[in-house]
Amino acid sequence: TQLLEQSPQFLSIQEGENLTVYCNSSSVFSSLQWYRQEPGEGPVLLVTVVTGGEVKKLKRLTFQFGDARKDSSLHITAAQPGDTGLYLCAGVSGAGSYQLTFGKGTKLSVIP
Amino acid sequence: NAGVTQTPKFRVLKTGQSMTLLCAQDMNHEYMYWYRQDPGMGLRLIHYSVGEGTTAKGEVPDGYNVSRLKKQNFLLGLESAAPSQTSVYFCASIKKPPITSYEQYFGPGTRLTVT
Repeated sequence: TQLLEQSPQFLSIQEGENLTVYCNSSSVFSSLQWYRQEPGEGPVLLVTVVTGGEVKKLKRLTFQFGDARKDSSLHITAAQPGDTGLYLCAGVSGAGSYQLTFGKGTKLSVIP
Repeated sequence: NAGVTQTPKFRVLKTGQSMTLLCAQDMNHEYMYWYRQDPGMGLRLIHYSVGEGTTAKGEVPDGYNVSRLKKQNFLLGLESAAPSQTSVYFCASIKKPPITSYEQYFGPGTRLTVT
């Protein structure tokens, strides 16, 4: 069974601070995704990283995929209250079935 | 397009009762998935389908059955509900490969409580 360890589980920061969320696995994934989930809603895809060492930016969010394709990080610069939510990493596997293995999530609260 | 919809949004069941959760998508997606989300556990895959008439077990299939009689619908059944099945259930779908982003589109969830 492939597992994704996500840390920290909870994060409460002041508006304007920077933060990093980590997603680690002992297994190799074909690609890794980051989702954001608001209360009462389903997760929404932020980014997919495919190539080892890949870096993608989405406004103030920077996503990195480790060289060995076993780990990833999400860095948010100058966090804003609108960034509050549950961030989930997910590894894509299951040849042909595109199953996702999710981490347990990081609940982020950005205090104004 | 409505995307992925789930019915019902909320449900309370007594132990031993049965129910069916309906997931519908209007995006002509080939693959569909059922997950459950519990506090501190992330999302765990229950069953999935790679096409009409096909289903397969995921990580936590026990106590659940599924059917995919029509491409646009994926049903999740609980034959005899147990308190351990109290959870939020999410359905998701994805286009038929080849695809590049592997984005799964999620429904809004069904909150189920079993007493």
